[in-house]
Amino acid sequence: AQKITQTQPGMFVQEKEAVTLDCTYDTSDQSYGLFWYKQPSSGEMIFLIYQGSYDEQNATEGRYSLNFQKARKSANLVISASQLGDSAMYFCAMREGGSGGYNKLIFGAGTRLAVHP
Amino acid sequence: DVKVTQSSRYLVKRTGEKVFLECVQDMDHENMFWYRQDPGLGLRLIYFSYDVKMKEKGDIPEGYSVSREKKERFSLILESASTNQTSMYLCASSFLAFQDTQYFGPGTRLTVL
Repeated sequence: AQKITQTQPGMFVQEKEAVTLDCTYDTSDQSYGLFWYKQPSSGEMIFLIYQGSYDEQNATEGRYSLNFQKARKSANLVISASQLGDSAMYFCAMREGGSGGYNKLIFGAGTRLAVHP
Repeated sequence: DVKVTQSSRYLVKRTGEKVFLECVQDMDHENMFWYRQDPGLGLRLIYFSYDVKMKEKGDIPEGYSVSREKKERFSLILESASTNQTSMYLCASSFLAFQDTQYFGPGTRLTVL
């Protein structure tokens, strides 16, 4: 079964508007972590934001916020005030288990975001 | 800033060749990882290492081996390259226990002809 599901292969957004990229996950662990990475056309994966399963508040990093709905097992990324430089692939990932151990990440298939002027 | 570097951005090899992909990190991270990335499949873990000379198979280790002789360096080896190993290869590193975030290198796009 898919552990991380990103249902939107591609998304379009107008510059300066907000956009939400969907991510649902499947785990039976109580302790886990959720990540979003950005991959521009250059290829490098850039860490954006992290949410721990026990964090009560939604994570925010500048224009990025993570809409964490634990009961629904969703961890959507919200980008506010989109910029042309936000055009990239976005990957949702999950680390099962606690912060010890081998912290393997499981990645979704990704969503390609295109920001239009 | 964490820096992870990979030896080549683009590599073209022939079927049957032995291929070495090198990865170096400069933050004294315990964990290092090799992934391959294919369209529609996201990133899949090939191997990881949690300490020098230690390695663990990931989800798709077949056809690959790894070497970690020094803490900062993690090598991925294709003993006999095949066309189905044409892919983007990404290396990552992270601290053990204290920092969950994996930091990635720029990737190596390998083409096997």
